[in-house]
Amino acid sequence: DAGVTQSPTHLIKTRGQQVTLRCSPISGHKSVSWYQQVLGQGPQFIFQYYEKEERGRGNFPDRFSARQFPNYSSELNVNALLLGDSALYLCASSPQPRTYGGRIAKNIQYFGAGTRLSVL
Amino acid sequence: TQLLEQSPQFLSIQEGENLTVYCNSSSVFSSLQWYRQEPGEGPVLLVTVVTGGEVKKLKRLTFQFGDARKDSSLHITAAQPGDTGLYLCAGVPFGNEKLTFGTGTRLTIIP
Repeated sequence: DAGVTQSPTHLIKTRGQQVTLRCSPISGHKSVSWYQQVLGQGPQFIFQYYEKEERGRGNFPDRFSARQFPNYSSELNVNALLLGDSALYLCASSPQPRTYGGRIAKNIQYFGAGTRLSVL
Repeated sequence: TQLLEQSPQFLSIQEGENLTVYCNSSSVFSSLQWYRQEPGEGPVLLVTVVTGGEVKKLKRLTFQFGDARKDSSLHITAAQPGDTGLYLCAGVPFGNEKLTFGTGTRLTIIP
């Protein structure tokens, strides 16, 4: 089975440019989340989409936007790039909540390999 | 403010030794996940814990969820070079379905 796929794998942009990152979830997963991971830190939540609706948004400026398509794939857009936007952008898909010993575990994430964005 | 603090931040030990990584918070989580991330890859899910006091084993890895569901630990027995990587804990706070990641522990096992 194919895992989460992201494209492109690497990208170099200059300040002020715009970028679009793409993600295809695991087949059957309807939820997609985006994370930013700066070198040496844990991933920071950007967006979550479920059934094409935004379900959550992290503390990121309005320059960051996303959308989910009918086939559950997703795009992350970043406008007016800054040097500080240089990071690994991770996409993750989630299955329906699972039950473990009578308790429900939500938001189990399966990650893609990420897109490495460098802003010069 | 980092919701989940991991310690140590860096750990370098000899092959065959044992180690424990901690994940602490003042918040209560409905569930907690552990991931391992290798360079150039996305995080890979290792385990999910949902019950306070729960212990799960994955070969030489033992995961424990604190009784109050505010903290967790990962213990590795007889570490091997293949265990090298960035270990991340991540929790789902009650009333909020966003997955929040810890600060990470970078583990290096020296052959």
